[in-house]
Amino acid sequence: QLQLQESGPGLVKPSETLSLTCTVSGGSITSTSYYWGWIRQPPGKGLEWIGTVYYTGSTYYNSSLESRVTISVDTSRTRFSLNLTSVTAADTAVYYCARHVVVAAAAADSWGQGTLVTVSS
Amino acid sequence: SYELTQPPSVSVSPGQTASIPCSGEKLGDKYVSWYQQKPGQSPVLVIYQDSQRPSGIPERFSGSNSGNTATLTISGTQAMDETDYYCQAWDSRTVIFGGGTKLTVL
Repeated sequence: QLQLQESGPGLVKPSETLSLTCTVSGGSITSTSYYWGWIRQPPGKGLEWIGTVYYTGSTYYNSSLESRVTISVDTSRTRFSLNLTSVTAADTAVYYCARHVVVAAAAADSWGQGTLVTVSS
Repeated sequence: SYELTQPPSVSVSPGQTASIPCSGEKLGDKYVSWYQQKPGQSPVLVIYQDSQRPSGIPERFSGSNSGNTATLTISGTQAMDETDYYCQAWDSRTVIFGGGTKLTVL
């Protein structure tokens, strides 16, 4: 059974960098069938896609966040990471990592439990 | 950039059929997925590739997609189905989510 687990600080100061890691267990992060992605949800609001990474390291980003986002994959440690720079209060959200199925138009068939990140001084 | 539009809310009586629309330009040319999200929980995939149900999703959940509108249909709606639903598509190597629809069962 695939499991994804987000980890990282729950509190980040404005202007600093938000860094999260998603550890994948029970499945292969090097499978050609999947992308690995980050999605966030501000309190009381809808889902916002941040970006995805393929096991080769190829990335796709939300254009509205692209200048601040880096997503990378560490296949040896079966995990992938998110860095979001110059954060503001608007970046406060629950951050989810997810597995996207390549042939199913990136349907996200498995999600982590989510981690709340608050941006505040 | 591509956009998906959902109504903020839809109401249905218990046992009746609920239809939740998701609209976008030429959406019928793309595959659409649907997610159910209950309060405090992660989203769950209920429909992918327009009309396919993942293992473990009840048969009362179905989907269709044609023209500019995809629709999630819940037959014999139960009280437990009252929650938020999101559509999602893939366009130009980006993942797009609709704004979400709150389904009320009353």
